[in-house]
This record gives sequence, structure tokens and C-alpha cells, in this order.
Amino acid sequence: EIVLTQSPATLSLSPGERATLSCRASQSVSSYLAWYQQKPGQAPRLLIYDASNRATGIPARFSGSGSGTDFTLNISSLEPEDSAVYYCQQRSSWPLTFGGGTKVEIK
Amino acid sequence: QLQLQESGPGLVKPSETLSLTCTVSGGSISSSNYYWGWIRQPPGKGLEWIGSIYYSRSQYNPSLKSRVTISVDTSKNQFSLKLSSVTAADTAVYYCAKPQQQLVGGSFDIWGQGTMVTVSS
Repeated sequence: EIVLTQSPATLSLSPGERATLSCRASQSVSSYLAWYQQKPGQAPRLLIYDASNRATGIPARFSGSGSGTDFTLNISSLEPEDSAVYYCQQRSSWPLTFGGGTKVEIK
Repeated sequence: QLQLQESGPGLVKPSETLSLTCTVSGGSISSSNYYWGWIRQPPGKGLEWIGSIYYSRSQYNPSLKSRVTISVDTSKNQFSLKLSSVTAADTAVYYCAKPQQQLVGGSFDIWGQGTMVTVSS
């Protein structure tokens, strides 16, 4: 089973600042990594798939990069509505696994 | 526009079997090549993949495999989850979801709204 480790656990930034979230895999997942955003009481929303591809309707301020074992989600200029928990997920092999999440707080 | 909707009891007694159904609307399960998935989230915790199914081919989380069965009913355009011998640790919001990619484990681009299941006597 591939373990995904996300850091930091919490990120507290001001509007307009850049957020950088990390996801590290216990073994290579190639580029088969996705990022989700989840707000309280809502289902997760797919942001990025296959490491760097934005899902339909996702604003350009969200970008993903990485391959192998190290991945990054960047939010270039934080908006108040970006306050949420962000999860990574690998689809390289069964079982599918999720990271533990990073909470982004907007000051 | 494809939509998914979970349904089932919100309260299950310990040691009994949790049964949920996901109804797919706006598209046909039988004409698709997706590994339809179930994911859960205990209160205040992260996401856990339970399993996925493509017709009769299923994949399960090893930590739950002995207790999980996922099946598809193409006539009703539904897929279902059964989790046996439940305990309080199985209390969670249960989501059904569609992967973006066909014929492989995917990233999930369409989710149901989720249904809260509490295990309690």
C-alpha cells in the first residue's frame, strides 16, 4: 500500500499570499496523483488530476506539479473561499490511498 | 449531467451489516467503463477509500476487505456497498464517486453528497 504524507498539517495565510502544499508518496506513483478541496459539510471537489492537470472549472490560481514521490499544490493568490482542507490521492496502484490532509486557513 | 446519490439507513446497530446504495442519474452504468467507488470519512477525520467496482471486477481496501462487498445492479443503474460486523469505528460519512479515468483506479471527479451512517445500539 502506498502511503501519502501531506505537510504541513495546517497553513495559515492572508488573502493574496501564495500557498504551497506538499504530498510525499512512500513509493513512486509516477504522475498519478490528484488533489481535492473539501469544505465543511461538502463532498470533496477534484482540483488537479495526474499531478498537473486542472479539473473542469478549476481556477487558474490552482496548480500542481511533481512526479515520482514528491508533489506540490500551489495556490498562487489566496482568496477567502480557498479556506478548506486539501487532500492528495494516488491512483498508481490498488489500493487507492489518500493523504491525511492539509488545512488552509485564511487570516 | 451525471449525478450520484447515496441512500440507506442512517443508523446501524453494532455487529450488523451496513447497506448503502448509490443511484446514478444522467448516465448509464452499463454503458460506461468506470470503477465506481465508495469512500468514507469518519467525523473530523480524513478520507478513506473503501473499494471500487467495474461490472463484476472489484477492488477493496485490504483493511476492510474481509467485511466489504460492492456490487452493481445495471437494471437499476445503481451500485451498492455492504459492510458487515460494524462497530463504532465504522461511523462515518459514506460517499459514492465516479472516477475520471476509465478501466483503471482513478481520481474521482463526481461525488455524491454523502450520507452519514452512525453505528450505535
